Amino acid sequence: DAKTTQPPSMDCAEGRAANLPCNHSTISGNEYVYWYRQIHSQGPQYIIHGLKNNETNEMASLIITEDRKSSTLILPHATLRDTAVYYCIVPPLNTGTASKLTFGTGTRLQVTL
Amino acid sequence: DAGVIQSPRHEVTEMGQEVTLRCKPISGHNSLFWYRQTMMRGLELLIYFNNNVPIDDSGMPEDRFSAKMPNASFSTLKIQPSEPRDSAVYFCASSRTDREQYFGPGTRLTVT
Repeated sequence: DAKTTQPPSMDCAEGRAANLPCNHSTISGNEYVYWYRQIHSQGPQYIIHGLKNNETNEMASLIITEDRKSSTLILPHATLRDTAVYYCIVPPLNTGTASKLTFGTGTRLQVTL
Repeated sequence: DAGVIQSPRHEVTEMGQEVTLRCKPISGHNSLFWYRQTMMRGLELLIYFNNNVPIDDSGMPEDRFSAKMPNASFSTLKIQPSEPRDSAVYFCASSRTDREQYFGPGTRLTVT
């Protein structure tokens, strides 16, 4: 499995962009990067995923570096409801692109007023 | 769409009792996953099914744990006999094959 490294915690002011980094230097050519988050007392929630190109959906944007060794999840206008633990995951390719998720410790994002 | 449905939401039982957790995946999803979350170990994958067939149960802690998926719309995770160290939040998730997973609200299990 490609190991991911994330900072343990980050703060962000409400209304500002939250930029959450992730290092995955051992990622192989066809492995995807997935982001999930877990709000307190809820199940994890899928956010976005990507392979090489930058991706954007209604929740966030994902910027993947050209060498694919790192990525950044961007929440463009963070709100208090975005306070959660954010997980960057690279599932192993041989079991499918999304089947076997290994959740690390993630980044605890605190959005403040 | 109702999302993934889990029952019960909370379960309190005594050591030695049998516990059965239930999950209804999202209609049309053919992969189903069971996870366990504790403060000490974080979120761990226990087992997953594809098209009702168990694919990987390497995360199942021991023989006291068993999981079944008799049809595409129902799965159970059974613990027999239960022990205090089984206390955790158990999540069920579903997906289309090799796609993003959608998680249920979880079952909080307390074994006294």
